Amino acid sequence: DGGITQSPKYLFRKEGQNVTLSCEQNLNHDAMYWYRQDPGQGLRLIYYSQIVNDFQKGDIAEGYSVSREKKESFPLTVTSAQKNPTAFYLCASRITGPNEKLFFGSGTQLSVL
Amino acid sequence: QQQVKQSPQSLIVQKGGISIINCAYENTAFDYFPWYQQFPGKGPALLIAIRPDVSEKKEGRFTISFNKSAKQFSLHIMDSQPGDSATYFCAASNNQGGKLIFGQGTELSVKP
Repeated sequence: DGGITQSPKYLFRKEGQNVTLSCEQNLNHDAMYWYRQDPGQGLRLIYYSQIVNDFQKGDIAEGYSVSREKKESFPLTVTSAQKNPTAFYLCASRITGPNEKLFFGSGTQLSVL
Repeated sequence: QQQVKQSPQSLIVQKGGISIINCAYENTAFDYFPWYQQFPGKGPALLIAIRPDVSEKKEGRFTISFNKSAKQFSLHIMDSQPGDSATYFCAASNNQGGKLIFGQGTELSVKP
């Protein structure tokens, strides 16, 4: 099946700890995105990458880092600098043009211990 | 300028009724307006989308109405069903591959 795979489904972070959320796609899409979802606040863009070895900050990048070493993979690290990390994190890939569409993974729920 | 404002935040509709969710935007450069549907614990999925060259687009029970002069667009769900209960997000972007800006979301509950 083609799609976006996020892991783990649930993740717990201890104070001062960095954690990494995995995102893999087999859709052969160039563009990939990380969104944070909090109740009542919609989807806020953390980072995005339009091509391998390149990425840009979104609207709420502070306390997060990413890498894009392979087309298929776009991991997100939530660093200890992110003081309020509890949220639902969504990874997506995108095709543009007439049939523009974001394909989302099933998300990772991150909670603080 | 980059915001998309969505209302209402939550909506309760009886089975068979019409659900209406509204969005407004400021940036006149936006030219792509999708709606995404999200079930609990899942990622959003594209439901229907419209570009500003038409004022309405219908797919089954789902219709987008678009008012370019008012910079508003809305989702209408006809004959709403309990299976439509989900969170709905409107969004907007420009066709230059610009970032997709999402509204705050509407939690729809359809009562049997």
